[in-house]
Amino acid sequence: AQSVTQLGSHVSVSEGALVLLRCNYSSSVPPYLFWYVQYPNQGLQLLLKYTSAATLVKGINGFEAEFKKSETSFHLTKPSAHMSDAAEYFCAVSDHQGGKLIFGQGTELSVKP
Amino acid sequence: EPEVTQTPSHQVTQMGQEVILRCVPISNHLYFYWYRQILGQKVEFLVSFYNNEISEKSEIFDDQFSVERPDGSNFTLKIRSTKLEDSAMYFCASKGTDSMNTEAFFGQGTRLTVV
Repeated sequence: AQSVTQLGSHVSVSEGALVLLRCNYSSSVPPYLFWYVQYPNQGLQLLLKYTSAATLVKGINGFEAEFKKSETSFHLTKPSAHMSDAAEYFCAVSDHQGGKLIFGQGTELSVKP
Repeated sequence: EPEVTQTPSHQVTQMGQEVILRCVPISNHLYFYWYRQILGQKVEFLVSFYNNEISEKSEIFDDQFSVERPDGSNFTLKIRSTKLEDSAMYFCASKGTDSMNTEAFFGQGTRLTVV
């Protein structure tokens, strides 16, 4: 069975600081990995995805994530936080194309001025 | 840009009533999904639908739930007799079959409140 663990339900950073949101996964097959963002009262928007190509994946809004098989991790980073990055971030895993997504608990990111 | 649309955005219903949540997936997509998010909890998979039939469902998706694609554009989730614990945000998602496009696109959600 697949699972996702996001360490830290709340992360607070200052504007301009590095953002690091942690995600570890468990999968018995090569995974598809995703990060979604949810702004208040909105749906889930894809930030980036890993599908067995390059291990460093670049997404929208300056975010990137690195797939590390040895650590079963897919942490999300952004060099410099912006106030508009404040949102809830979800890591998700799927075991095949078309398969269901298994989500982590989510991490709420706050950005202080 | 094509998007998944869900209606209504908010539905309030009395316990025991039937509700139908509606979704219009992206037009050339063939995989359809329903997820739910109870307030303060993670997003949970309910059901996936492909080729006019359910391809997978979770333990949550019991006999009270059903899905239907009544025409070429809509995808609906019906809850036959709502319970208080069905109160949640329900998300519809769709995905294409193109091997390059492996991500699901989500709608804005329907907030269901059962009173």
